[in-house]
Amino acid sequence: DSGVTQTPKHLITATGQRVTLRCSPRSGDLSVYWYQQSLDQGLQFLIQYYNGEERAKGNILERFSAQQFPDLHSELNLSSLELGDSALYFCASSPWPEMNTEAFFGQGTRLTVV
Amino acid sequence: DQQVKQNSPSLSVQEGRISILNCDYTNSMFDYFLWYKKYPAEGPTFLISISSIKDKNEDGRFTVFLNKSAKHLSLHIVPSQPGDSAVYFCAASDSNTGKLIFGQGTTLQVKP
Repeated sequence: DSGVTQTPKHLITATGQRVTLRCSPRSGDLSVYWYQQSLDQGLQFLIQYYNGEERAKGNILERFSAQQFPDLHSELNLSSLELGDSALYFCASSPWPEMNTEAFFGQGTRLTVV
Repeated sequence: DQQVKQNSPSLSVQEGRISILNCDYTNSMFDYFLWYKKYPAEGPTFLISISSIKDKNEDGRFTVFLNKSAKHLSLHIVPSQPGDSAVYFCAASDSNTGKLIFGQGTTLQVKP
């Protein structure tokens, strides 16, 4: 158990809809990262928050947004969903702002868009 | 543009032998490299890392080698165990951009 909790574990929704994925980082970790893993793809970095502020941005679509709340949990909002958004979405956390340190991953949310 | 490449999608090794997983990168600004292991239905877990100022880092059965001139790193597992069967991802970090780029992963199967 990494200590990072992601909910829900599975999500099935229709095209055009909006969903929210939630992440609770390990106790004390200030950094939260979001990654997308599509079929046969590596982990694509989406966005990082550190202590409530956006720190780094990767290949995140404009239809996607994220935030980190004062209690440090984070939410990833995906809107106007398309079939190609079906993927595993991972959240990770670490104590530090730098991405070159060990991060602890949750079990992921599997999103299926039908 | 794939900046971090793991050209072998899969690798099969006999228990007790050495497993060598390879990773190539294109960006000379990468200054940290990490390996993660992933079991099915679980998130990735950190395995080992290396800074660009080193050419080798060892942790128990796991050793990572970095060849900066070739822009190549490898993970050696000796001896391999059936429990090492997993997907291995290499990742590279550029401190200037603050981003971590992952490769596509290599599935390692260690046969008893």
